[in-house]
Amino acid sequence: DIQMTQSPSSLSASVGDRVTITCRASQGVSTHLAWFQQKPGKAPKSLIHSASILQRGVPSTFSGSGSGTVFTLTISSLQPEDVATYYCQQYDSSPLTFGPGTKVDIK
Amino acid sequence: QVQLVESGGGVVQPEGSLRLSCAASGFTLNSYGTQWVRQAPGKGLEWVAFISYDATNKYYADSVKGRFTISRDMSKNTLYLQMNSLRPEDTAMYYCATIADYWGQGTLVTVSS
Repeated sequence: DIQMTQSPSSLSASVGDRVTITCRASQGVSTHLAWFQQKPGKAPKSLIHSASILQRGVPSTFSGSGSGTVFTLTISSLQPEDVATYYCQQYDSSPLTFGPGTKVDIK
Repeated sequence: QVQLVESGGGVVQPEGSLRLSCAASGFTLNSYGTQWVRQAPGKGLEWVAFISYDATNKYYADSVKGRFTISRDMSKNTLYLQMNSLRPEDTAMYYCATIADYWGQGTLVTVSS
């Protein structure tokens, strides 16, 4: 099974800061990697698929990169509405594993 | 308007059964691989099951294998999760989602005596 890890597990940053979250896979998953945002009490929302392709309607302040085993989600300018937990998921092979999540707060 | 709407959750006793439904609108399920994902209270996302776009492949998490079955009815454009032999640790919000795209709002399953 492919294990997914995320770092950091939580972070606190100021409005306007650049924020980077890293997701690592225990084996290569090509670019079969998605990022999701989940706000408290809400369903997850898709942000990025295929490691770097932004979903329609997602602000361009979000971007994704990577392939193989190391991936990053970057928020170029953190906004109050970005407070959420962010998860990565590999869909290269079963089981389709999620990372443990990164909680993002405003300082 | 693309939408996924789950239903069928509720309170069930251990060893009981439930069938969750996920009605899709605005797109057809046979265009996407789809999955069930659950989230226990205060925990992260856990993948449960997957069905390929053409329904030829179905995969399950070890924690539900042999107890849960994923299926779909294209005449109703609806995805299902049949859950048998339920355990307290199956208590969670259950979401249906296409791979990397659309998510439903979830349906809560509580397994308790």
